[in-house]
Amino acid sequence: KQEVTQIPAALSVPEGENLVLNCSFTDSAIYNLQWFRQDPGKGLTSLLLIQSSQREQTSGRLNASLDKSSGRSTLYIAASQPGDSATYLCAVKVGDKIIFGKGTRLHILP
Amino acid sequence: NAGVTQTPKFRVLKTGQSMTLLCAQDMNHEYMYWYRQDPGMGLRLIHYSVGEGTTAKGEVPDGYNVSRLKKQNFLLGLESAAPSQTSVYFCATDHRDEQYFGPGTRLTVT
Repeated sequence: KQEVTQIPAALSVPEGENLVLNCSFTDSAIYNLQWFRQDPGKGLTSLLLIQSSQREQTSGRLNASLDKSSGRSTLYIAASQPGDSATYLCAVKVGDKIIFGKGTRLHILP
Repeated sequence: NAGVTQTPKFRVLKTGQSMTLLCAQDMNHEYMYWYRQDPGMGLRLIHYSVGEGTTAKGEVPDGYNVSRLKKQNFLLGLESAAPSQTSVYFCATDHRDEQYFGPGTRLTVT
């Protein structure tokens, strides 16, 4: 059974710092991996999608990497801002199903 | 273009009552999903549909039924609500491997 783990569960960093969020999954037979952002009381917004054949994707200050063989992905956020405060979730697609991690709650300190 | 919408936004039910949550999308996407999100449990897949007229069970289907009579609508039914079904329910669509989420329905069962 595929399991997705995100560490740490919560993280606080000063504004301006670069940071890395981690995601690991137990079965490397994934179709793709996606990173989402969720603001309190809101739905999820897709940030980056990495296909299983890709190693990384970039969007603005965000960079996501995928190492399928080791079952790991990282989300790198450069020059963090208070507006980046949110919960970040990763999810892997296996067949028709999407399996989510429990998320990392990020707080950027002004 | 409203994307993914969910009705209602909030609802309070008494144990044993029934209700239907509606998810509607105007993007002509084939795949639709129902998730529930609970503190400490992350997002868990209840049911999903790969096209009009099809449904399939996810990770936590017990106590729920679904129907996809029209491509644009995916209905989630609770026949006899239980306090354990208190949760935030999210609907999502999938297009070209990217997921699009609705704003959620907050359901409380007393």
